[in-house]
Amino acid sequence: EAGVTQFPSHSVIEKGQTVTLRCDPISGHDNLYWYRRVMGKEIKFLLHFVKESKQDESGMPNNRFLAERTGGTYSTLKVQPAELEDSGVYFCASSQGQGPNSPLHFGNGTRLTVT
Amino acid sequence: GDSVTQMEGPVTLSEEAFLTINCTYTATGYPSLFWYVQYPGEGLQLLLKATKADDKGSNKGFEATYRKETTSFHLEKGSVQVSDSAVYFCALSRDSWGKFQFGAGTQVVVTP
Repeated sequence: EAGVTQFPSHSVIEKGQTVTLRCDPISGHDNLYWYRRVMGKEIKFLLHFVKESKQDESGMPNNRFLAERTGGTYSTLKVQPAELEDSGVYFCASSQGQGPNSPLHFGNGTRLTVT
Repeated sequence: GDSVTQMEGPVTLSEEAFLTINCTYTATGYPSLFWYVQYPGEGLQLLLKATKADDKGSNKGFEATYRKETTSFHLEKGSVQVSDSAVYFCALSRDSWGKFQFGAGTQVVVTP
């Protein structure tokens, strides 16, 4: 079984540019989550998809961030325009269900550097 | 709001030493508590969990007990190996499964 895959693994962009991060969850996992870790601080929740619907997007920092999951398969997270404070590691995770018997499987993350 | 506080690292130990990473939390109600581990170059992996007070989670020689009276979930291992070098994150989940509140992470370095 393939794990959660994230592309790219690293991205370096200039302030004001646009970047799109992609996450491919484990096949059959309806739940998909985005998290990010900024400046070595705590990992913060961004949003949660159930299939193609946004279940909870309370962690999205502002309207420069747009997440989509068309067709309920892979997801993209677009940052437009990027700011310096957006630098960090963006993690994606997926789970089959919701509850203690459905652990989250995390990807290796995308390290975003905005210069 | 909910929060998780864990000891700052890095924690540097010799092989076979005893490891403790302190974790305390603030949350209303009865959260579930977790320890995740991130090995170099990899994503986070669930290490252990406890879903109610006094539960003990254990895995790979690591243990943590959910202490509601002290709002703590300290991670321990009796004899660490070089392969245990990683970043360890304490986390809680309350209202919504998968919506975790993580601590800042503690880097552990084990030397031969």
